[in-house]
Amino acid sequence: EPEVTQTPSHQVTQMGQEVILRCVPISNHLYFYWYRQILGQKVEFLVSFYNNEISEKSEIFDDQFSVERPDGSNFTLKIRSTKLEDSAMYFCASSGSGQGKYYEQYFGPGTRLTVT
Amino acid sequence: DQQVKQNSPSLSVQEGRISILNCDYTNSMFDYFLWYKKYPAEGPTFLISISSIKDKNEDGRFTVFLNKSAKHLSLHIVPSQPGDSAVYFCAASLYQGGKLIFGQGTELSVKP
Repeated sequence: EPEVTQTPSHQVTQMGQEVILRCVPISNHLYFYWYRQILGQKVEFLVSFYNNEISEKSEIFDDQFSVERPDGSNFTLKIRSTKLEDSAMYFCASSGSGQGKYYEQYFGPGTRLTVT
Repeated sequence: DQQVKQNSPSLSVQEGRISILNCDYTNSMFDYFLWYKKYPAEGPTFLISISSIKDKNEDGRFTVFLNKSAKHLSLHIVPSQPGDSAVYFCAASLYQGGKLIFGQGTELSVKP
């Protein structure tokens, strides 16, 4: 069964450093998303991407964040200058294949980002 | 953002019995509702969904009920199995391709 994959599974970085989180969405999906979950809190939306552009972003997704789909398979989230409060699990998701399926988002296993 | 709420942080059920997980929402414009199951250190796994134009959707042991007038949905698991022990999130979307707004989650424990 197709699945969303994410790399790395765990990333440790120092405050102020840039990180790139990588995702390979399900191949015939059209919508791509990033979410994060800070320990003990809700899963919260960061950004959605459709037709090679951002379709929606949250207040969290400020100028320090960017997304890119550099080729036909990868989808990346870049944090330019990490802060301690960026420490969280980051989930990539994708949706969109067939009638009524555009709502059903399938999530990757996540990348645990630890900022020290 | 408290548009989707799960008021029970935990639920304990005996194996073989019914598990009922509840979710309330405030935005009447939500078009679609979904339930996800999550194990520690893994991503949410899609379980079952329901369109706002329906009041019930069934898939094997899982049934989701939607009461639009009460702005309430529930997930029934019958019969419950120990492998169902996980955190369950309800989520809602305003339109296809739109963001999901999640509840806080309910941790289900199914005891043998």
